[in-house]
Amino acid sequence: NAGVTQTPKFQVLKTGQSMTLQCAQDMNHEYMSWYRQDPGMGLRLIHYSVGAGITDQGEVPNGYNVSRSTTEDFPLRLLSAAPSQTSVYFCASRGDKNIQYFGAGTRLSVL
Amino acid sequence: EDQVTQSPEALRLQEGESSSLNCSYTVSGLRGLFWYRQDPGKGPEFLFTLYSAGEEKEKERLKATLTKKESFLHITAPKPEDSATYLCAVQPNTNAGKSTFGDGTTLTVKP
Repeated sequence: NAGVTQTPKFQVLKTGQSMTLQCAQDMNHEYMSWYRQDPGMGLRLIHYSVGAGITDQGEVPNGYNVSRSTTEDFPLRLLSAAPSQTSVYFCASRGDKNIQYFGAGTRLSVL
Repeated sequence: EDQVTQSPEALRLQEGESSSLNCSYTVSGLRGLFWYRQDPGKGPEFLFTLYSAGEEKEKERLKATLTKKESFLHITAPKPEDSATYLCAVQPNTNAGKSTFGDGTTLTVKP
């Protein structure tokens, strides 16, 4: 049972480039989220989805897009990367009793 | 707006020296308060859920307690392998159940 899988693990971008962070879960969870974590800080919610075809904004959505075409996948797109988006990104799915299961993270640097 | 404040930011203990981590919160109707453990370079892992004031949960050397305004994570006779960052999060009854995380307490246990 793989749980939540994120790819890539590391990425370096130049300012203005775009990219997609991938997230897949095999637990058949409806609720999925994207967070960013900056040094010494907790997790801040970027976007979330309560099921296929349904997404909504979290606390810090600017500069990011999401879509949810299947239950399993929830990609996060950076439209035009900025140095302020340098961070560690975590995807999570939420199961029984509202427990969140996190991926290993994607470490992104924007130069 | 839901808020979570964790203290201290960092805690250094000798092996066997018991202590407590604090999580103060304000939330518009609490569905659950969650404790997660995060090891360096990894995603958070679930520890406990508390639902109502007076509730306690235990797991090995950890015990989590909850009041109407705060939660404590008590660590009894810690070992070096307990070194990690401990994150607290609240989930409200409303607002699509979006969780708010604290900034975490980084615990270091010296042998």
